Amino acid sequence: KAGVTQTPRYLIKTRGQQVTLSCSPISGHRSVSWYQQTPGQGLQFLFEYFSETQRNKGNFPGRFSGRQFSNSRSEMNVSTLELGDSALYLCASSLAKLMVLSRDEQFFGPGTRLTVL
Amino acid sequence: DQQVKQNSPSLSVQEGRISILNCDYTNSMFDYFLWYKKYPAEGPTFLISISSIKDKNEDGRFTVFLNKSAKHLSLHIVPSQPGDSAVYFCAASEGYNTDKLIFGTGTRLQVFP
Repeated sequence: KAGVTQTPRYLIKTRGQQVTLSCSPISGHRSVSWYQQTPGQGLQFLFEYFSETQRNKGNFPGRFSGRQFSNSRSEMNVSTLELGDSALYLCASSLAKLMVLSRDEQFFGPGTRLTVL
Repeated sequence: DQQVKQNSPSLSVQEGRISILNCDYTNSMFDYFLWYKKYPAEGPTFLISISSIKDKNEDGRFTVFLNKSAKHLSLHIVPSQPGDSAVYFCAASEGYNTDKLIFGTGTRLQVFP
């Protein structure tokens, strides 16, 4: 069973540009979440999608957006890039069954390393 | 506001001994806690979790303890092995209808022979 895949793995952009990152979840997984990892802030939640709907959003500016397609694949977009957007962007997927006393395991992709110059 | 904190950025332990990684949280609404392990250039890998109705969960060499009154959890690895060397993140979740995780800043564990 293929894991979570993210493309591209590495990306270099300049300030002011925009970027789109892609995430393909594990087959059958319905929930996709995005996280930003930086040395200073650790792993921070960006947003979560379930059945093409944004279910939750973190504290990031509106320059960060995302969407989910009917096949559960997800993209995130960052417009007007800033130097501080340089980070590892991680995507995670899960089956998203509703369970009160436990959670479906989330599987993370290897991430996309974005460098903004 | 850091709701999940790992105050030790690094920990060095001899092979065969116990590794204890600590995590504190501030949000009393968190009801599920997880530990992830991360190697460089890879995504985090799930290790073990615990619901807020329990105080201990064990899986092989890994045991997680939860002290709700102190808002503290810990991960014990016994015995520690060199392959355990990685960055460990604790994470917390609020509510069962979301996959949103709040992560700590991580503790780098080094297990030396």
